[in-house]
Amino acid sequence: EADIYQTPRYLVIGTGKKITLECSQTMGHDKMYWYQQDPGMELHLIHYSYGVNSTEKGDLSSESTVSRIRTEHFPLTLESARPSHTSQYLCASSRVEPYNEQFFGPGTRLTVL
Amino acid sequence: GEDVEQSLFLSVREGDSSVINCTYTDSSSTYLYWYKQEPGAGLQLLTYIFSNMDMKQDQRLTVLLNKKDKHLSLRIADTQTGDSAIYFCAEPSSGYSTLTFGKGTMLLVSP
Repeated sequence: EADIYQTPRYLVIGTGKKITLECSQTMGHDKMYWYQQDPGMELHLIHYSYGVNSTEKGDLSSESTVSRIRTEHFPLTLESARPSHTSQYLCASSRVEPYNEQFFGPGTRLTVL
Repeated sequence: GEDVEQSLFLSVREGDSSVINCTYTDSSSTYLYWYKQEPGAGLQLLTYIFSNMDMKQDQRLTVLLNKKDKHLSLRIADTQTGDSAIYFCAEPSSGYSTLTFGKGTMLLVSP
């Protein structure tokens, strides 16, 4: 079983609040990813990282930001939450290419009122 | 860019075989993946196939790869209610920076 963790699992918060979604992995993977999954099931890549001090924007424009100060930790921050941010957020990690097998965390379900 | 296509929904009866289909775009993809997502959980790698293979079998799972048509399928034999989940097909994105996922196929298994 993959060792990748996300906290909190569920979060209900009011509009305008700053939130940080935590993601940690103990597999020593260099690459980490954040996906947003809409109710229609589709996954949208919003951020990824090749390693420490590396962050890249994904395919879907997002108002969130990420940081990668330690290999094992890849938090995602929303400075001012809005109802449009309500979604499931999935974190994943992998070794470097070409294998690209991604291991996923259990997800954080965010609801912004 | 890459585009991975899947049918959105499949309904089968318990004990039947399920076949989930996927088409992909990048003929140079080295690995192709099937992921499973159960309700309220993240994605879990189910199986993968290397591009120089036509078929891979793993217990009840059979993956078929048609490179000419860029078609990938996942067959689940003797489908059980516990197989009800969303199944995602994925291929490496250009530059191998990440994976491109299909939109997912929801498999519903009825008793």
